[in-house]
Amino acid sequence: DADVTQTPRNRITKTGKRIMLECSQTKGHDRMYWYRQDPGLGLRLIYYSFDVKDINKGEISDGYSVSRQAQAKFSLSLESAIPNQTALYFCATSGGTGANVLTFGAGSRLTVL
Amino acid sequence: GIQVEQSPPDLILQEGANSTLRCNFSDSVNNLQWFHQNPWGQLINLFYIPSGTKQNGRLSATTVATERYSLLYISSSQTTDSGVYFCAASGAGSYQLTFGKGTKLSVIP
Repeated sequence: DADVTQTPRNRITKTGKRIMLECSQTKGHDRMYWYRQDPGLGLRLIYYSFDVKDINKGEISDGYSVSRQAQAKFSLSLESAIPNQTALYFCATSGGTGANVLTFGAGSRLTVL
Repeated sequence: GIQVEQSPPDLILQEGANSTLRCNFSDSVNNLQWFHQNPWGQLINLFYIPSGTKQNGRLSATTVATERYSLLYISSSQTTDSGVYFCAASGAGSYQLTFGKGTKLSVIP
């Protein structure tokens, strides 16, 4: 099983729908992140969390919310999806002896029509 | 925040050739990482290298923090090296990694 698991891997939805992307990890890391990737723009940080009670906005948090349900689970929500939120979303973790090294999930491709 | 620029944006190599990818950053860094995104989209960490030199097989990386750049060397390239290589950095006092736009590498047989 993958160390960082994202669900769903692919999702097509319509404008205005609520969408949740889920991330779970078995690495025991305390830090978790959500990134968004758009073609030609690299990855941009949406939110990050250093423990269950610590949630921080990243570079592009508008239109998104997150929940850290447990150390191992970090979910990203789009309350009312819009077409320009169509992108590839990555969850990542870091912690332990490699506290600064990111481990990424396989990505969730979201299309908003 | 810190700015990260990568060059070249695209690179085509014959299998067996060597290459150097560059990452320039605008401020002192406390964290610098290189990643490879394969053609299926998976992101793999290659190096954590805020300073100094590291090697892993055919890949090596050097960061000269005082001159604000990092280099990724790929020797004897293989078709499986194809994909996009990203540099990401964060500055002093920040936990937010800023990614460059990547270098797309295509290795042809």
